[in-house]
Amino acid sequence: DARVTQTPRHKVTEMGQEVTMRCQPILGHNTVFWYRQTMMQGLELLAYFRNRAPLDDSGMPKDRFSAEMPDATLATLKIQPSEPRDSAVYFCASGFLDTQYFGPGTRLTVL
Amino acid sequence: QQQVKQSPQSLIVQKGGISIINCAYENTAFDYFPWYQQFPGKGPALLIAIRPDVSEKKEGRFTISFNKSAKQFSLHIMDSQPGDSATYFCAASRSSASKIIFGSGTRLSIRP
Repeated sequence: DARVTQTPRHKVTEMGQEVTMRCQPILGHNTVFWYRQTMMQGLELLAYFRNRAPLDDSGMPKDRFSAEMPDATLATLKIQPSEPRDSAVYFCASGFLDTQYFGPGTRLTVL
Repeated sequence: QQQVKQSPQSLIVQKGGISIINCAYENTAFDYFPWYQQFPGKGPALLIAIRPDVSEKKEGRFTISFNKSAKQFSLHIMDSQPGDSATYFCAASRSSASKIIFGSGTRLSIRP
């Protein structure tokens, strides 16, 4: 049963620290998405890749967020420096045809 | 034009009743309309989807109704069960693009 995996599942950090979240997409899927979910803003698309190339990162605060896909089995989302307003659940999803398959999320708390 | 508007924000339905969630879109280039279901602590998962060449699609107790001229679509859950309690997102996309535009979500609670 192929699944998207995300690590860590939970992260508590202090303001100003660097946070790195990792995602392993489903093998064979050529698109990878990063979303942020909060009660106030709902599900926001931060960035996405097709065949490892970044297609759209317009939803991401450029000064502190970066997303990369160093190889087909790993996508990363980095926040440096982190701020309390970054506290949210971050989801990675991999796409096949028209369907996105979401991972379990990383719950980030920035104190 | 890229937005998908979803209502209501929250919904409480008695067990056995019909749950109805509505969505509207502006971009006529959208040609794929999925619904995602999210349980607490989990990521969203595809529930059912429709393309605009049909007006209705049914899978078990879940039905999508699609009105192309009004640019609206809705999810109907028949015989709603407590296990259906979740957040539901409507969405829209163009087949030529990978990006899905999600609605704001509806938190559904089914009362026993």
